[in-house]
Amino acid sequence: AQSVTQPDIHITVSEGASLELRCNYSYGATPYLFWYVQSPGQGLQLLLKYFSGDTLVQGIKGFEAEFKRSQSSFNLRKPSVHWSDAAEYFCAVVPYSSASKIIFGSGTRLSIRP
Amino acid sequence: GAGVSQTPSNKVTEKGKYVELRCDPISGHTALYWYRQSLGQGPEFLIYFQGTGAADDSGLPNDRFFAVRPEGSVSTLKIQRTERGDSAVYLCASSLDPATLRNEQFFGPGTRLTVL
Repeated sequence: AQSVTQPDIHITVSEGASLELRCNYSYGATPYLFWYVQSPGQGLQLLLKYFSGDTLVQGIKGFEAEFKRSQSSFNLRKPSVHWSDAAEYFCAVVPYSSASKIIFGSGTRLSIRP
Repeated sequence: GAGVSQTPSNKVTEKGKYVELRCDPISGHTALYWYRQSLGQGPEFLIYFQGTGAADDSGLPNDRFFAVRPEGSVSTLKIQRTERGDSAVYLCASSLDPATLRNEQFFGPGTRLTVL
């Protein structure tokens, strides 16, 4: 079945530490891939996206993600987190066959330890 | 601001009642999307409009849910005979060109619906 999996429900990292949030997808063809962030009381904000080409994608707020076709993964990384990065992070895909609907993972909640 | 706006921000209703949720997209965006986000879950696609017409309503859970966009701008999501399971945050998004997801979907802050 087609799906987007974020295996970590909640992650806590210390401020200044590195971060990696995991995302795996299951689709027949490589879909379009996205990471969104949702802060309390805020709307969803796009961090970065991958359509094709360079498999390492740079986004806003110092985030990057790497697409690995062999592992069907699109993990999000940041070298040094800030307290303001505490939020819910969603991996999402648009299946290649669809031009409209975004399919979201269940999210990973990130907490920052002072 | 020039972002997507949604009203009301919160709506509390009783089981069996009818509710309307409004979305005002970014000016000039032809595509409009509705999603539903249940507690602890990611947003779930409901319906997508291109202009005034619903191009994809495959995500609507049943015939109690209906959405309109009569003038190709503001959209209203209508829920009849609400049930407690309808409680969720309803998100609206808009984008410039629906033909390709290369155009980013911009999300509103959502309407939190609580059915008692």
